[in-house]
Amino acid sequence: DVKVTQSSRYLVKRTGEKVFLECVQDMDHENMFWYRQDPGLGLRLIYFSYDVKMKEKGDIPEGYSVSREKKERFSLILESASTNQTSMYLCASSLDRGNEKLFFGSGTQLSVL
Amino acid sequence: GQQLNQSPQSMFIQEGEDVSMNCTSSSIFNTWLWYKQDPGEGPVLLIALYKAGELTSNGRLTAQFGITRKDSFLNISASIPSDVGIYFCAGGIYNQGGKLIFGQGTELSVKP
Repeated sequence: DVKVTQSSRYLVKRTGEKVFLECVQDMDHENMFWYRQDPGLGLRLIYFSYDVKMKEKGDIPEGYSVSREKKERFSLILESASTNQTSMYLCASSLDRGNEKLFFGSGTQLSVL
Repeated sequence: GQQLNQSPQSMFIQEGEDVSMNCTSSSIFNTWLWYKQDPGEGPVLLIALYKAGELTSNGRLTAQFGITRKDSFLNISASIPSDVGIYFCAGGIYNQGGKLIFGQGTELSVKP
């Protein structure tokens, strides 16, 4: 089975802090994604990557950046956390560009105070 | 950008009842997928649909890809308490490998 592991289940940070959310997948998938989940809004795409060192903006990239130095690892960075970034963050991966099936991690609930 | 409208937003049903939820879009999708999210977990894929008109079952779940490619529905028959969770529809475009548009979710509660 595909396993997508997010480093933290719960995180509490202060406004202005730099925050790193880490994600690792173990099935050699080409594609990795970061989604944000908010009640009533569903899942919204922040950033994604189709290959190592490659990144593309999703629908809501403002205030975020990403890093993919190795194929299995995709990091989401909040340069200066704000209270409106309090949310559930979900990392996901898919096999390649021809495959739409996403496999998700368990999520990181981030609270910014 | 593209949006999916998922309804209903929430459902409270009795164990044993059938459930129906749907998604509509103003845009065409090549793939429709349905996910379930248990409390405290990430979404898990239930059913993937790849052709307009396709009807696919997975146990007590049945989903259909609308003929116009702008809608999809999910039915759950004879609901049980473990069906509780949030159900998401998602639309995909060819060769975008998981870059999906998600609906707002349907939160299902089942009373034993």
